[in-house]
Amino acid sequence: RKEVEQDPGPFNVPEGATVAFNCTYSNSASQSFFWYRQDCRKEPKLLMSVYSSGNEDGRFTAQLNRASQYISLLIRDSKLSDSATYLCVVNIRGGSYIPTFGRGTSLIVHP
Amino acid sequence: DTEVTQTPKHLVMGMTNKKSLKCEQHMGHRAMYWYKQKAKKPPELMFVYSYEKLSINESVPSRFSPECPNSSLLNLHLHALQPEDSALYLCASSQDRTGVAYGYTFGSGTRLTVV
Repeated sequence: RKEVEQDPGPFNVPEGATVAFNCTYSNSASQSFFWYRQDCRKEPKLLMSVYSSGNEDGRFTAQLNRASQYISLLIRDSKLSDSATYLCVVNIRGGSYIPTFGRGTSLIVHP
Repeated sequence: DTEVTQTPKHLVMGMTNKKSLKCEQHMGHRAMYWYKQKAKKPPELMFVYSYEKLSINESVPSRFSPECPNSSLLNLHLHALQPEDSALYLCASSQDRTGVAYGYTFGSGTRLTVV
């Protein structure tokens, strides 16, 4: 089983749709969780950290479920500019602080 | 200054060449990372430096040699690379190795082509 798993998609949604991504992690000692966004041929950029209590930033909501070992990202009212790959990052692997990426979920928002 | 700066942005090198990639940050971050990313794949960790000391080497071939001259700079020395080493090389930094505070900040990468 991989350390961090994501559904690669692609998720193809119309503008205005709500879309949710999940990411599961295998190491229960993991402490830090993040969602990154990566546009084609660009570097990953931090979208939001994921806190135990859940957090929201505008149209984006991140949740952490420690019991089931997954994090989620909800995007409401999708925009064309949201089209990108969304990567989850978990910072524990093998008992050491190793920032580990999931394979990414591709989102395509169409008119 | 909240940036990680990488140079060069593009590099083409022959298999017998020696070149270096450079990374610089002035955010006072004490952990710095090298990642390799192939097309349509997630970034793969290569090295981690914490307080200027190499703390993780993900079994990277010796033709890649990292160096951390000071807390703001990270280099990756390349020698005798293979065409399959062609990729986007990303540098990242974080306040400390946990990344708890503000996550990891990435540079825009060096797109390397080995011919």
